Amino acid sequence: AQSVTQLDSHVSVSEGTPVLLRCNYSSSYSPSLFWYVQHPNKGLQLLLKYTSAATLVKGINGFEAEFKKSETSFHLTKPSAHMSDAAEYFCVVKGDYKLSFGAGTTVTVRA
Amino acid sequence: GAGVSQSPSNKVTEKGKDVELRCDPISGHTALYWYRQSLGQGLEFLIYFQGNSAPDKSGLPSDRFSAERTGGSVSTLTIQRTQQEDSAVYLCASSLAETQNSPLHFGNGTRLTVT
Repeated sequence: AQSVTQLDSHVSVSEGTPVLLRCNYSSSYSPSLFWYVQHPNKGLQLLLKYTSAATLVKGINGFEAEFKKSETSFHLTKPSAHMSDAAEYFCVVKGDYKLSFGAGTTVTVRA
Repeated sequence: GAGVSQSPSNKVTEKGKDVELRCDPISGHTALYWYRQSLGQGLEFLIYFQGNSAPDKSGLPSDRFSAERTGGSVSTLTIQRTQQEDSAVYLCASSLAETQNSPLHFGNGTRLTVT
């Protein structure tokens, strides 16, 4: 069994400041973890994935995430938010073939 | 390159009518998924196809829902006798291979509104 908890339903940041989106997971075995972003009226776009090669994973658009097994966390960060980062973000754990999605975190960026 | 294509992008139908939603996966992708995204419900797994194996239909919410995948490529999700609670965005995704670390590539979805 596997599940994902995104700890914040909504995050608001000022442009140019750091962004932190928190994700905790549970899985019966070594999981694969992903972050996806969804802009309004669009599908989900893959930001990055963790597949056990390295605990710090770099993705697109300046995002990165760190896998911490001891904390069962996979938090997403970006050093400097841009207006185009306003979207909904999903943390996802993949077991065999099924994905379990977090409830999503909506990010708003203030000018 | 071409991504996952879904059609129509929007569909408005009357309660009780049947609808068909289409998904063209990325060429060469053997795994295909359907998810439903509703307000307040998040992303809900519906069905999974992998090659010639029997599909995993465990997520289909009722027997009004069915899906097929012809020739291992295009998939159609059919909803019969639509109800208002079927209103949602239906997302299709495909994956290159069925390994745990293969990411899913999503289409832009079909927004279904049942009036």
